[in-house]
Parts: sequence; structure tokens; C-alpha cells
Amino acid sequence: ETGVTQSPTHLIKTRGQQVTLRCSSQSGHNTVSWYQQALGQGPQFIFQYYREEENGRGNFPPRFSGLQFPNYSSELNVNALELDDSALYLCASSSGQGANTEAFFGQGTRLTVV
Amino acid sequence: AQSVSQHNHHVILSEAASLELGCNYSYGGTVNLFWYVQYPGQHLQLLLKYFSGDPLVKGIKGFEAEFIKSKFSFNLRKPSVQWSDTAEYFCAVNARGGRRALTFGSGTRLQVQP
Repeated sequence: ETGVTQSPTHLIKTRGQQVTLRCSSQSGHNTVSWYQQALGQGPQFIFQYYREEENGRGNFPPRFSGLQFPNYSSELNVNALELDDSALYLCASSSGQGANTEAFFGQGTRLTVV
Repeated sequence: AQSVSQHNHHVILSEAASLELGCNYSYGGTVNLFWYVQYPGQHLQLLLKYFSGDPLVKGIKGFEAEFIKSKFSFNLRKPSVQWSDTAEYFCAVNARGGRRALTFGSGTRLQVQP
């Protein structure tokens, strides 16, 4: 176990709806990153939060947004869901924002858009 | 931008066989290199990482990897695989000195037959 917990584990949504995914970081970690893992692909970086501020973003449209709370837990929000948003969404936490810090991953939320 | 290529998409081995999984990356600067493993139904786990120093890195569960800078490669090896090594393996990089966001390869599915 990594100490990173994500909820829910599975979710089915209809195209056009909005979804919120949650992540509790490991104790002592102040950085949370989100990744999207489509079937048969490696995880793709969505964005990173460090001390409640977004400090890095991958190639995802603005309908992907997030928050980090004072306790360093985080939310990923996706608006206007599309079928291609169906994927495993992974959260990773670490104790710093630098490249040399190890990221610990949660088990993910499997989102299916129908 | 960084990119990672894993040329072996699906590898099938018998127990006790030797393993080598290829990973090549593309990036103009200095990188950190990682191998992650994802066992069925489990979270991504770090197998090993290379930041600097000895290019031969030893990780958990008997895995090792060698960084060859001239070839932009970071191949994963294990002398003798076990059935329990059946999993998906991901190579990843990030830019040293930059943010921690990881760029992953598409993964290699390893199936070890007893």
C-alpha cells in the first residue's frame, strides 16, 4: 500500500456530464499529480498541484480542472465528458515538486463514459 | 518535449528465463529515468530509478537497469523471471531540475508461464 487513496474506484457517467474524482495524498506529501491512463497506454500527465497551486499542466483541455486543499488532498474535475475520457485516472503524491522526488501512486479511478 | 518508446508490447517467457525490456527516450536535456510495474489490479509501483552516478541501477525484486547515455536507453533486466513477475512494466522519464511530471512509455505486458 502506498498511502494514496482514490475514490471512487469505479464510475460510469453519460457523455456531457461532469465528474469529480478525489485523491488523498500520503501523509507528509504536499504535491499531487494526476494522470490519465487509457486502455493499453501508459499514463499521461494531466496536471500537478503543489501547496494548493497548479504548477504544471500537460496537453489536456481546460475542461480538465483540479483543486488541492489545505490538507493536500486533491480533486480532479472533468466537464462535458466525452467518450474518449473513458480511462483509469491515477493520482500520485510526493513530498516535493522537484524532479528527483519519488511519486507514490494510488490504485486509480476507472471512469467509463457512455 | 520528452517521449519514451517501449518496443516490446507483449512478452511471454517461461519461468527461469532471462528478461530484458527495451526503453528508449527522446529529450534534449538531462533526464531522470524510472521503471514502474503494475501488477494486475494493483497500483503502479516503483521498481528502480536513475538520477545520476553509476549507470547500472539495482531495484527491488532482483530487477536492474542500465542507463546508456549514447543510446538514450534504459533497459530493464532480470536474470531469472518468476511467475509472480507477470505484470505490466512502464518506463518513464522526467527532466532533471524541472517539475516532477513523468512521461511514460506505452508499457510492456510481461506474461511468465509456469
